[in-house]
Amino acid sequence: GEDVEQSLFLSVREGDSSVINCTYTDSSSTYLYWYKQEPGAGLQLLTYIFSNMDMKQDQRLTVLLNKKDKHLSLRIADTQTGDSAIYFCAERGNTDKLIFGTGTRLQVFP
Amino acid sequence: EPEVTQTPSHQVTQMGQEVILRCVPISNHLYFYWYRQILGQKVEFLVSFYNNEISEKSEIFDDQFSVERPDGSNFTLKIRSTKLEDSAMYFCASSRDRVTDTQYFGPGTRLTVL
Repeated sequence: GEDVEQSLFLSVREGDSSVINCTYTDSSSTYLYWYKQEPGAGLQLLTYIFSNMDMKQDQRLTVLLNKKDKHLSLRIADTQTGDSAIYFCAERGNTDKLIFGTGTRLQVFP
Repeated sequence: EPEVTQTPSHQVTQMGQEVILRCVPISNHLYFYWYRQILGQKVEFLVSFYNNEISEKSEIFDDQFSVERPDGSNFTLKIRSTKLEDSAMYFCASSRDRVTDTQYFGPGTRLTVL
């Protein structure tokens, strides 16, 4: 079945770039998403990319998609302490449901 | 900015009791979803709802679960007879359409079954 995998933790220094990686198995993925979850809060949509694109930039966020390798990444430039959160990768194929990864806990230290 | 709201934020119930989790989707959205996240596990899809009927459901969404849009604004998830393993964070989401629009999530309801 479909699966989405992410590394569990990432620790970066404030001001550095963060790169969070995700791999997925569903070759019929149409959209891929990045959600952010802060402690005690819901899932906040950060950005998404359509499967026929290979890059999308939105202010400090850059999404790269390698469809051949089924690899998605989220780069956060100039990472701030407020970026500390759990980041979820999710994909959607031709159905209604989103398939989520385990989430990557990003810790930003001064 | 419009957002999805959910009530209550935390629900504690005894095993075997019925619970109803409530959601108010974004007002011009037509597609509604429930997901859950058991502590330490992935967010899992439960069900999607459109035009007053279920459009897709997962294996988790068995006869103990039901969804309803009782009026023009609320979307509810009912668990008929709760089990310990139903303890999880339940997220509601909504979208304008199924194909191109993203799903916007509420803050979640933490359900604890004792």
